[in-house]
Amino acid sequence: GNSVTQMEGPVTLSEEAFLTINCTYTATGYPSLFWYVQYPGEGLQLLLKATKADDKGSNKGFEATYRKETTSFHLEKGSVQVSDSAVYFCALARGGSNYKLTFGKGTLLTVNP
Amino acid sequence: DAGVTQSPTHLIKTRGQQVTLRCSPISGHKSVSWYQQVLGQGPQFIFQYYEKEERGRGNFPDRFSARQFPNYSSELNVNALLLGDSALYLCASSLGPSGPRMIEQYFGPGTRLTVT
Repeated sequence: GNSVTQMEGPVTLSEEAFLTINCTYTATGYPSLFWYVQYPGEGLQLLLKATKADDKGSNKGFEATYRKETTSFHLEKGSVQVSDSAVYFCALARGGSNYKLTFGKGTLLTVNP
Repeated sequence: DAGVTQSPTHLIKTRGQQVTLRCSPISGHKSVSWYQQVLGQGPQFIFQYYEKEERGRGNFPDRFSARQFPNYSSELNVNALLLGDSALYLCASSLGPSGPRMIEQYFGPGTRLTVT
């Protein structure tokens, strides 16, 4: 079946540090890949997506590239801010009759001033 | 435009009771999905509905059921509650159930269910 594996957290960084959160997936065919962010006490917000191999999704300074050869979709940001503190979820969706999302367990990021 | 709305925000129930959670999708969105998020875990897919029909179901027991109304709002029902049903229940809406333009799902804030 489909699955997503994220690096275990929590991750603690200082403001302006470089961020990488690793994500690898297992799926048949060509899934679409997503990063969602969940701020404390809130629901999930779509951060970025990529729908085919070598696509790069980007938003708010975050980037992730769909690497089919390594089945990865690592999240990166060059300079994190305190406001980036949240839980980040990697997810995939297979095609077909529905687009249910399969999520990783999430990675808690804390950015200190 | 209003986002996805869910009610109630919080709910406390006793084991064995039944609960109904409600979701209103973004205007124009015809597909609604439900997810269960246990503390410290990623959301798990429960159901997807499109045009009032169930289009997908996750690995949940028959105690879980849902429906979608003509205005595309949806209800999730859980019968015979167990302690393990305590979780954040998330509703997500999208334009449709499939296709590249329709795969973006927008989540509501969730309903926090506590079973005692």
